Amino acid sequence: GAVVSQHPSWVICKSGTSVKIECRSLDFQATTMFWYRQFPKQSLMLMATSNEGSKATYEQGVEKDKFLINHASLTLSTLTVTSAHPEDSSFYICSATDALRTPGNIQYFGAGTRLSVL
Amino acid sequence: AQSVTQLGSHVSVSEGALVLLRCNYSSSVPPYLFWYVQYPNQGLQLLLKYTSAATLVKGINGFEAEFKKSETSFHLTKPSAHMSDAAEYFCAVTISGNTGKLIFGQGTTLQVKP
Repeated sequence: GAVVSQHPSWVICKSGTSVKIECRSLDFQATTMFWYRQFPKQSLMLMATSNEGSKATYEQGVEKDKFLINHASLTLSTLTVTSAHPEDSSFYICSATDALRTPGNIQYFGAGTRLSVL
Repeated sequence: AQSVTQLGSHVSVSEGALVLLRCNYSSSVPPYLFWYVQYPNQGLQLLLKYTSAATLVKGINGFEAEFKKSETSFHLTKPSAHMSDAAEYFCAVTISGNTGKLIFGQGTTLQVKP
């Protein structure tokens, strides 16, 4: 149980285009989803927290207009990188939690999406 | 505010040797503590968690960790390393009742030599 699916696993795009990344909880309802960014050999940096049906809460320094997050249902959250540029190239990871099902705030992680912007 | 410090960005052990990955935390309230493992180009997999029950926590793949409040530590151990244990390990902390936001340590790369 507690499987989180992230798609695509790898995407290459041209500079100036937008890319959408999906994060799905397959066997539980995710009341909260998180989006992280990870640079090579570094830890995870939290970008935003999203709760189903409400606006995402962005961490300081993260551009909300650049990284659009939608959490329209209890099983799906999307991250759209708008007008992507080479500096947006990174590994993006989502996680999901269900506060009712998993006391202790356990987060279950997707496999990540590697974004390469040419 | 919570924080996590992992001592040693890189740990190298021989196959069959003891694995010890260090994690110290800072929290003004009782914390929840986690160890996650990350294999290359993959997401994070939960190894084990401490959520205010038993202080010695057993996880998957033979790993365990002990919560020591007096030392503010939550070190990860495994009696005998296996080649497949080579990966990146992250310690993380959160507190009860918050948004569930995790604070991660810097990560420790575990190398296992044959």
